[in-house]
Amino acid sequence: KNQVEQSPQSLIILEGKNCTLQCNYTVSPFSNLRWYKQDTGRGPVSLTIMTFSENTKSNGRYTATLDADTKQSSLHITASQLSDSASYICVVSSSGGGADGLTFGKGTHLIIQP
Amino acid sequence: GAVVSQHPSWVICKSGTSVKIECRSLDFQATTMFWYRQFPKQSLMLMATSNEGSKATYEQGVEKDKFLINHASLTLSTLTVTSAHPEDSSFYICSATRQTYEQYFGPGTRLTVT
Repeated sequence: KNQVEQSPQSLIILEGKNCTLQCNYTVSPFSNLRWYKQDTGRGPVSLTIMTFSENTKSNGRYTATLDADTKQSSLHITASQLSDSASYICVVSSSGGGADGLTFGKGTHLIIQP
Repeated sequence: GAVVSQHPSWVICKSGTSVKIECRSLDFQATTMFWYRQFPKQSLMLMATSNEGSKATYEQGVEKDKFLINHASLTLSTLTVTSAHPEDSSFYICSATRQTYEQYFGPGTRLTVT
């Protein structure tokens, strides 16, 4: 059964600090891995998409890494801001673009405190 | 580009009534649209996949007679929750894809059935 596990479930850090969120997956076949940011009461917004051959991808203060051998990914947030408070969802695709090939993690709920 | 809208953003209805939620791709033609449901602190759960001009494909356990999906054009899909009950209260999110594998999510619709 395809699964995506995220840790920690929740995290509280002070504004300006860095943090790293983890994603472990058992999805086969593997097509790509995505990180989304979901603000409370809003839809997810894409941060990064990585295919098998990509080890790292950045989007501003967000940097995602992928180790396809160990089936692990991380999302590193640098110099956190209050607006980073959200849920971060790791999604692994086993097909090209069909949603039926997507396995969602439960997300990490991140709170940035001033 | 690639903006997806939903309407309404929130709705309250009485038990037994029906409610329609619209999902529009504002600046692109979506080959496929997807409908998700999300309960508090849970991951997104795919309900159905719809392609323009054809019947929707529902996930196992999702009642197609209760959740009617109409994909009338390449920019509009609607989800109608028929004879709604309090257990249908949830956050409904749609997403749309173009030719690439990227999915663009709408902002979500909060449904409360009283």
